[in-house]
Amino acid sequence: EVQLVESGGGLVQPGGSLRLSCAASGFTFNNYWMTWVRQAPGKGLDWVANIKPDGSVKQYADSLEGRITISRDNAKNSLYLQMNSLRVEDTAVYYCATSRDWAFDYWGRGTLLTVSS
Amino acid sequence: QSALTQPPSASGSPGQSVTISCTGTTGDVGGYNYVSWYQQHPGKAPKLMIYEVTKRPSGVPDRFSGSKSGNTASLTVSGLQAEDEADYYCNSYAGNSNWVFGGGTKLTVL
Repeated sequence: EVQLVESGGGLVQPGGSLRLSCAASGFTFNNYWMTWVRQAPGKGLDWVANIKPDGSVKQYADSLEGRITISRDNAKNSLYLQMNSLRVEDTAVYYCATSRDWAFDYWGRGTLLTVSS
Repeated sequence: QSALTQPPSASGSPGQSVTISCTGTTGDVGGYNYVSWYQQHPGKAPKLMIYEVTKRPSGVPDRFSGSKSGNTASLTVSGLQAEDEADYYCNSYAGNSNWVFGGGTKLTVL
């Protein structure tokens, strides 16, 4: 059974940094593109970033490029999202998902990041 | 990249059919057959319902179907059931390694 478990969310002050993690199991992690998607409270879904199975290609939403870095550790079956210069508008639930056939097929339950002073 | 346009709400009675639209541009929906649809119940993670415009993942009922004409994609739910009440989001590849979601449609089963 595919399982994706996000962690690392919490309360951060504006301007701060945080690294989100996603632990994967139940599938061959190093065969899959992986994705981060976020959802602000009461709002819609917002694509954040993708990473190729070997980590050699990283794709970012234009609105976030420069402040975020997606990475993965295939030996640990883990996906990461480093977020810097955090803003109040980054407050959201952050989901990790597998990416296949030009869609996002398995999703974790998400981790809530709150940016507030 | 602008969000795809979805109606905020849709509704139907049990057993009826409902269609949700998703309008983009030639740069996203109209330019690629990479439209997907997601169902999200309150407090839950999204679930993939349709990918590559018309394909259904294993386990998704065949009551759910997708189509596309020009810059508009559509999700049709036939034989509405109470458990279909949820938020639905479309997504499209938008070129230049970007993906864009729609604003979401709240489907109510009357």
